[in-house]
Amino acid sequence: DTTVKQNPRYKLARVGKPVNLICSQTMNHDTMYWYQKKPNQAPKLLLFYYDKILNREADTFEKFQSSRPNNSFCSLYIGSAGLEYSAMYLCASSRRTGGSQNTLYFGAGTRLSVL
Amino acid sequence: GDSVTQTEGLVTVTEGLPVMLNCTYQTAYSDVAFFWYVQYLNEAPKLLLRSSTDNKRTEHQGFHATLHKSSSSFHLQKSSVQLSDSALYYCALSDRGGYKVVFGSGTRLLVSP
Repeated sequence: DTTVKQNPRYKLARVGKPVNLICSQTMNHDTMYWYQKKPNQAPKLLLFYYDKILNREADTFEKFQSSRPNNSFCSLYIGSAGLEYSAMYLCASSRRTGGSQNTLYFGAGTRLSVL
Repeated sequence: GDSVTQTEGLVTVTEGLPVMLNCTYQTAYSDVAFFWYVQYLNEAPKLLLRSSTDNKRTEHQGFHATLHKSSSSFHLQKSSVQLSDSALYYCALSDRGGYKVVFGSGTRLLVSP
């Protein structure tokens, strides 16, 4: 049973065009993350929301935006896609308290291809 | 900054034989949790096991790992692999007081008949 869902599974985008990826979770987790995964590289944290507070990594600060209109939903927005954005984008959620804090629950990912 | 190193990109093992996937790390944090995630083909990565206690063996689904802070390692082992263990395995760490989870580049385990 997948409780973190990502849409779409595959996305084709043109260079210079915007891209919006969607993630939802049903576990009432307070934190939601977006990772970028390229072949033979470690998943790279792009940003995360703790509750309504957005935290973006310094090296990707200007490249990615995000919104979290409610606890269950989080989007990743690219204003102008470049070829270097082609990757798998993984959404994950976690909760900050309790014995399993920082255990991530992942969606299956969205594979973005920029042409 | 924190880092996790998985030196093997691909490990091929014959069914029924043992396997060890290497994971070493660097971190400045003192209160850290360590994870192994597994990703089967076309599925989401999911937690395999986690630990934050030095020198304590943690087991799940036939896999086990022991955190050794003295050698900064958290290797994953299984005594007898199955075909169904073929997957991509990620080692990761997290500062337990923070939010960030740092991943290694992953090791693909291929189990052959």
